[in-house]
Amino acid sequence: AQSVTQLGSHVSVSEGALVLLRCNYSSSVPPYLFWYVQYPNQGLQLLLKYTSAATLVKGINGFEAEFKKSETSFHLTKPSAHMSDAAEYFCAVSRSGYSTLTFGKGTMLLVSP
Amino acid sequence: DARVTQTPRDKVTEMGQEVTMRCQPILGHNTVFWYRQTMMQGLELLAYFRNRAPLDDSGMPKDRFSAEMPDATLATLKIQPSEPRDSAVYFCASGLGTGEGTGELFFGEGSRLTVL
Repeated sequence: AQSVTQLGSHVSVSEGALVLLRCNYSSSVPPYLFWYVQYPNQGLQLLLKYTSAATLVKGINGFEAEFKKSETSFHLTKPSAHMSDAAEYFCAVSRSGYSTLTFGKGTMLLVSP
Repeated sequence: DARVTQTPRDKVTEMGQEVTMRCQPILGHNTVFWYRQTMMQGLELLAYFRNRAPLDDSGMPKDRFSAEMPDATLATLKIQPSEPRDSAVYFCASGLGTGEGTGELFFGEGSRLTVL
């Protein structure tokens, strides 16, 4: 069985500050890991994915995430938050190569001026 | 630009009415998922198909919900009769479930259902 835990349902940062959204996973097989972003009134969009290549993964809009097997973590970071980053972020895990994603409960990122 | 298409985008109906939501997955994708999103429960998996065959619908209330894939280009989610607690945004997503893909899912923009 696979699962993900996202710590914090809401994270607030100031514009220009570091963004850190936490995700820990549980998987009995080598996982594929994903971060999705959902803007208001839209579907989920893929931000980045880890598929057993480089452990540091770069995504769109300046986001990146690092796969740490020893910590079973896949935290999402961005050096400098922008107002347009305000959205809900979902971490997800799947069995390698199969599209049966298990999603976390999401973290709402709030960015203040 | 390949994308998942969902209709309707918004639906307001009265309790007891039948509701049908439709999804056109990305051409070539062989897995299709239906998710429901609410403020209280977040993102819930309702059902999914691989190669048009239903693999798991354990997340779906069986007495009123049904999901089908009449062909590879159309997935449907039907609620009959609808109830106010069914009010939510319903997402369809498609992907490659072959074991050789990257496993990512592509989501539609959702169907917002309001049952009065």
